[in-house]
Amino acid sequence: GNSVTQMEGPVTLSEEAFLTINCTYTATGYPSLFWYVQYPGEGLQLLLKATKADDKGSNKGFEATYRKETTSFHLEKGSVQVSDSAVYFCALTLKSNFGNEKLTFGTGTRLTIIP
Amino acid sequence: DVKVTQSSRYLVKRTGEKVFLECVQDMDHENMFWYRQDPGLGLRLIYFSYDVKMKEKGDIPEGYSVSREKKERFSLILESASTNQTSMYLCASSRQYQETQYFGPGTRLLVL
Repeated sequence: GNSVTQMEGPVTLSEEAFLTINCTYTATGYPSLFWYVQYPGEGLQLLLKATKADDKGSNKGFEATYRKETTSFHLEKGSVQVSDSAVYFCALTLKSNFGNEKLTFGTGTRLTIIP
Repeated sequence: DVKVTQSSRYLVKRTGEKVFLECVQDMDHENMFWYRQDPGLGLRLIYFSYDVKMKEKGDIPEGYSVSREKKERFSLILESASTNQTSMYLCASSRQYQETQYFGPGTRLLVL
């Protein structure tokens, strides 16, 4: 079956540090890959996505590259801010003939940035 | 702006009670989903619906049912709440053939 494995948390970094959160996947077929973010007290929101191999998704200074050879989609940011403190979820979906694509999520990584 | 709303942010219920969680989206989306979120387990799909009156089981449907009588509304029902259903419940919606799901703020349910 399909699955997503992401880096165990929690992760604590100082402001302006470099961030990497690892994500690898197992899927039958060619999935699309996502990073969702959950800020305290809120639901999830899409951070970035990539739909095919070698695509790079980017948003708000975050980037992730779809690596088919290593089945990975690691999230990176060059200089984190306190406002980036949140829980980050890696997820995948496979195209459905019926148009009801379902997401498979990783377990989430809690990130805390200290000033 | 895209909007998914859930009827309650916090809910406290007793074991054995029937519980209704409501979700409404204003984007005319075909697909709607219910997840539960637990620490260390991420999000797990309970049920989803791709059209009015249509529903399909997700990964953990036991102890839950759903209802979708109108396109914009998707209800999750706990027929007889149990303590192991204490969790955060998240509703999401998406347009048919579109991969991006839009989430509500969640309902934190405590079953005593």
